[in-house]
Amino acid sequence: QITLKESGPTLVKPTQTLTLTCTFSGFSLNNNGMSVGWIRQPPGKALEWLALIYWDDEKRYSPSLKSRLNIATDTSKNQVVLTVSNLDPVDTATYYCAHFAYHGSVRGFDYWGQGTLVTVSS
Amino acid sequence: DIQMTQSPSTVSASVGDRVTITCRASQGISSWLVWYQQKAGKAPNFLIHGASRLQSGVPSRFSGSGSGTDFTLTISSLQPEDFATYYCQQAFSFPYTFGQGTKLEIK
Repeated sequence: QITLKESGPTLVKPTQTLTLTCTFSGFSLNNNGMSVGWIRQPPGKALEWLALIYWDDEKRYSPSLKSRLNIATDTSKNQVVLTVSNLDPVDTATYYCAHFAYHGSVRGFDYWGQGTLVTVSS
Repeated sequence: DIQMTQSPSTVSASVGDRVTITCRASQGISSWLVWYQQKAGKAPNFLIHGASRLQSGVPSRFSGSGSGTDFTLTISSLQPEDFATYYCQQAFSFPYTFGQGTKLEIK
């Protein structure tokens, strides 16, 4: 059974860097075909895809945020870390990590964490 | 970037109704279209992938169709637990963009 859980600060100040950790179980990012992504959702708004990391350490980022994002894995701990730099109040959102199914004809985020609300405010 | 446009933004319906939600891509995405259901305060739930393939455990009243640029999600007979917000997402090319969502409300 695949599970994911996000952790990190709930309140950060503008201009600071946010570090979020996704701890997962039920699969290994060392295995071919595995990948984990981050998605965020501002209050009352739509989902926004941020980043994805594959089993071979290939990384993909949202072009609009690429300069501020970094995604990395700690495979020994079954964790994926997302950093978002130079925060602004518009970055206030619930941040989700999710397992990305990537096999055969299947592509999509099939398992999601519960999400963590991050507020950017001074 | 590929833009995903859903319509309508809100739909009001009653239990037992048939409802169709549309998702249009700004360019062709073959069948790389995913539908999610999101209930208030919860993470999205993976409903349909490949435009028409139901994820295991999803009730058969849900169905998806389309290819290229135009896609639909249909719920054949609404149940109380179906009132939620539905999102489409393209998984054809990066960035994997989402639609703006369609809120399904009780009439």
